[in-house]
Amino acid sequence: SQTIHQWPATLVQPVGSPLSLECTVEGTSNPNLYWYRQAAGRGLQLLFYSVGIGQISSEVPQNLSASRPQDRQFILSSKKLLLSDSGFYLCAWSIPASSYNSPLHFGNGTRLTVT
Amino acid sequence: EDQVTQSPEALRLQEGESSSLNCSYTVSGLRGLFWYRQDPGKGPEFLFTLYSAGEEKEKERLKATLTKKESFLHITAPKPEDSATYLCAVRSRGKLTFGQGTILTVHP
Repeated sequence: SQTIHQWPATLVQPVGSPLSLECTVEGTSNPNLYWYRQAAGRGLQLLFYSVGIGQISSEVPQNLSASRPQDRQFILSSKKLLLSDSGFYLCAWSIPASSYNSPLHFGNGTRLTVT
Repeated sequence: EDQVTQSPEALRLQEGESSSLNCSYTVSGLRGLFWYRQDPGKGPEFLFTLYSAGEEKEKERLKATLTKKESFLHITAPKPEDSATYLCAVRSRGKLTFGQGTILTVHP
């Protein structure tokens, strides 16, 4: 069966410091991969998605970037964190893009607090 | 622009008190409606996919239904362990739009 791993679970970082969150998927090949952010009391906001290695689409211009160095690895990064980057970051995967009606499967998230 | 509205924002039930959560949507060409359960501090857990009006899916005490403009998540005889935030999302033209969620609390 497929599993998704996301780490770390919690992170406290000072303003201006770099960020690297990692997500890996097991048990499937060539998944679509996603990064979402969930602010308190709000819905999920799509940040980035990827349909293959090195292919990244950005949905919201901001202080973050994403990379997909391997088929089942997705990384969210920042060179300098802002206070507004605080939130709950979720990685998700779905089966490849030909199945538009396939659900997303989420990791357990990273709670990021920028101080 | 696709829109998804969930109601109520919060719902408190007594154990055994059945009720329904609503997800209203406005999309161009629905490709699927998804229900998720999210526990505090965790990622959303996939529950159901509904594709066309009239479709129904069931899992334990949960039953999801779909019409052309909304979906209902019916909870029959809920238990305290059903307490969670329930999210719905709709997909159209490859884009997935989430609602804000309904926070369900079931008291023993």
